[in-house]
Amino acid sequence: QIQLVQSGAEVKKPGASVKVSCKVFGYSLTELSMHWVRQAPGKGLEWMGGFDPENGEKIYAQHLQGRLSTTEDTSTDTAFMELSSLTSEDTAIYYCAPWGYAFDIWGQGTLVTVSS
Amino acid sequence: EIVLTQSPGTLSLSPGDRATLSCRASQGVSATYFAWYQQKPGQAPRLLIYAASSRATGIPDRFSGSGSGTDFTLTISRLEPEDFAVYYCQQFGRSSTFGQGTKVEIK
Repeated sequence: QIQLVQSGAEVKKPGASVKVSCKVFGYSLTELSMHWVRQAPGKGLEWMGGFDPENGEKIYAQHLQGRLSTTEDTSTDTAFMELSSLTSEDTAIYYCAPWGYAFDIWGQGTLVTVSS
Repeated sequence: EIVLTQSPGTLSLSPGDRATLSCRASQGVSATYFAWYQQKPGQAPRLLIYAASSRATGIPDRFSGSGSGTDFTLTISRLEPEDFAVYYCQQFGRSSTFGQGTKVEIK
């Protein structure tokens, strides 16, 4: 049974960067295509990006390209999402979820608050 | 980017009613990579339907999905009290997008 455990809540100032981790238990990260989804307070789900196994490349939402980076540490089965140049509009809960035929497993979410 | 538009925005129904939720894509999407999720307050989303019509593990058979091309539907045959929540559709092609959500509330 795969379990995803994310890092704790973060508070950042505008212009800063944030790095959220997602540790995989019960499976090898090398066999997963990890993606990231966020949800602003009271808003819907927004896909951010992740690994596309069909072409072996990272794919990111167009409006986040240049600010978003997703990486993996296979030695610790931990995935990372780093978002730079934060604004208040980046305040959200950030989820990791591996893509198979859909997102059937989700991390518990990490609240990132951007505030001066 | 493919835009998914869900309707209605809010559905006010009573337990035992049938719920029909719609998701329309701005261009054709692959049914293989089309899914529906349920989300309750304070919880991560839960996968209900994948490949447009296949129920995920543990999902009751009152949930069903259908559709192809640009029009997809999630049907809840008889609403149970625990089904009142927000529902999202999702497509995954060259990138992925979610619909804006349909809230199913108690009438």
